[in-house]
Amino acid sequence: DIQMTQSPSTLSASVGDRVTITCRASQTISRWLAWYQQKPGKAPKLLIYKASNLEIGVPSRFSGNGSGTEFTLTISSLQPDDFATYYCQQYNSFGQGTKLEI
Amino acid sequence: EVQLVESGGGLIQPGRSLRLSCAASGFSFDDYAMHWVRQAPGKALEWVSGISWNIVDTAYADSVKGRFTISRDNARKSLHLQMSNLRVEDTAFYYCATYFGSGSYYDHWGQGTLVTVSS
Repeated sequence: DIQMTQSPSTLSASVGDRVTITCRASQTISRWLAWYQQKPGKAPKLLIYKASNLEIGVPSRFSGNGSGTEFTLTISSLQPDDFATYYCQQYNSFGQGTKLEI
Repeated sequence: EVQLVESGGGLIQPGRSLRLSCAASGFSFDDYAMHWVRQAPGKALEWVSGISWNIVDTAYADSVKGRFTISRDNARKSLHLQMSNLRVEDTAFYYCATYFGSGSYYDHWGQGTLVTVSS
């Protein structure tokens, strides 16, 4: 099975900051990677699919990049609503999550 | 509007069985593979099981293989997870989700149902 490893586990930032979360796959997955945002008590929400495609309705400050085994999720200018936990996913494997906190 | 509504969770003793359901609406249910993903309190998402649109293919995480059975009823637009021989470590929120196979991602999720396994 493919293992997904995210870093960092926790990220402290401020409104307006640019932040990047990294996800590494244990073997090459081409661009078959998705990113999700989850807020406490809520279901995950799809942000990005196929590494860099923005889901409809997701703000353009979110972007994804990468291919093969290394991928990134970038938020260009943090907004108060963005403080949440983010997960990467490839088929049936999820990363361990990155908690973005103030 | 796509809606997925899980039900059937609750408090159950170890070794007992429980059946979760997911009612779908707002989309062509039989066009989608469907999956269950769980999340223990304070922990990461964990894939549990998936079933193809035509019920031909099913898959299970090693942690539940032989104990859980996934099924679907396309006519009733419903997904089910029969869980038997439950363990304390099965305690989690269980989400059903649509799986877009062409892109390998989950595009819609239910709100989740909590299963608590405890004596």
